[in-house]
Amino acid sequence: DTAVSQTPKYLVTQMGNDKSIKCEQNLGHDTMYWYKQDSKKFLKIMFSYNNKELIINETVPNRFSPKSPDKAHLNLHINSLELGDSAVYFCASQALGNTIYFGEGSWLTVV
Amino acid sequence: SQQGEEDPQALSIQEGENATMNCSYKTSINNLQWYRQNSGRGLVHLILIRSNEREKHSGRLRVTLDTSKKSSSLLITASRAADTASYFCATINPGAGSYQLTFGKGTKLSVIP
Repeated sequence: DTAVSQTPKYLVTQMGNDKSIKCEQNLGHDTMYWYKQDSKKFLKIMFSYNNKELIINETVPNRFSPKSPDKAHLNLHINSLELGDSAVYFCASQALGNTIYFGEGSWLTVV
Repeated sequence: SQQGEEDPQALSIQEGENATMNCSYKTSINNLQWYRQNSGRGLVHLILIRSNEREKHSGRLRVTLDTSKKSSSLLITASRAADTASYFCATINPGAGSYQLTFGKGTKLSVIP
């Protein structure tokens, strides 16, 4: 069973569209994250949720909105997509203080 | 600014050789982790070393941590072509609580058969 799964894996969409990336973890962890990996391979944290509550919200355009319906899910919704949003987005989950488990990544290309 | 900085940015070696990658960070940490990312794939956790540990082994991997120099190294012994990947160090910092893993840019390792 995949511990952290995110869908879709590949997404190509036009500028201005609204899209969502879904993430689910079956590890029973309380904390989930979204990370963005840019073209230079930098991985930057975007959001962190603990038990459905927003903990970290880094400097991210408010076009990005995370939604956590329950502690096993953390979805990322992006409005009005821009070319610069093209990147790989990683979802992750963690039991407090321990190893962070990542999903396989979602490759977003905005054209 | 980025917390972890891996060095070198790219490394190319022959199969069977050892590969050493270094990581430096800026602030105090709770622990430091190394991850591998194969091209087009997700991140795989390799090893975690806590701030009160100096060395840790896992199979062909050896990680050292020098908190006085704020640096860590990852040694892969007897490298294989399958080790070709990007390797990232990441830190969890007390100031960020236990909730934030901060990554460096990564070292791209190529192992030539």
